[in-house]
Amino acid sequence: SQTIHQWPATLVQPVGSPLSLECTVEGTSNPNLYWYRQAAGRGLQLLFYSVGIGQISSEVPQNLSASRPQDRQFILSSKKLLLSDSGFYLCAWGTGISEAFFGQGTRLTVV
Amino acid sequence: GNSVTQMEGPVTLSEEAFLTINCTYTATGYPSLFWYVQYPGEGLQLLLKATKADDKGSNKGFEATYRKETTSFHLEKGSVQVSDSAVYFCALGFPGGGNKLTFGTGTQLKVEL
Repeated sequence: SQTIHQWPATLVQPVGSPLSLECTVEGTSNPNLYWYRQAAGRGLQLLFYSVGIGQISSEVPQNLSASRPQDRQFILSSKKLLLSDSGFYLCAWGTGISEAFFGQGTRLTVV
Repeated sequence: GNSVTQMEGPVTLSEEAFLTINCTYTATGYPSLFWYVQYPGEGLQLLLKATKADDKGSNKGFEATYRKETTSFHLEKGSVQVSDSAVYFCALGFPGGGNKLTFGTGTQLKVEL
């Protein structure tokens, strides 16, 4: 069966520090991969998606970037965090024809 | 563009009460529709889905029917339990092209004894 791993679960980082969140998927090949952010009191906003290695599409302009160095690995990064980057970050995978499956999320607090 | 509108929360119910959470959508074409549930501190879990008009998705006593004529996908449950307390998200997606899901803002459900 397919599983998705996302870490860390919680993270507190100072403003201006770098960020790296990692997500890996097991049990499937060539998945579509997604990064969503859930800000406090708001819905989910799609940040990035990828349909293959090295292929990244950005949905909204922001202080973050994403990379897909391997088929089942998706990384969310920032060179310098802003206070507004705080939120709950969710990685997800899908086949491209139906629903997406989500990881447990990372609670990021920028202080 | 595509959008999903959900009723504002929180919704507070007594155990065994009937639940309805309204969801309407705007989209060009015929999307697939989903309900996800998020328990405190966790990621999202797929609750049910429907891929074409008049389909009914169901799971764990929850149901939702894809109504093209009213562009709606309302979530219902006949008798809620305390364990159903969570945030519920309605979403739509189009197969192909990455199937990027568009989510509503979520509706928090609180069930009390």
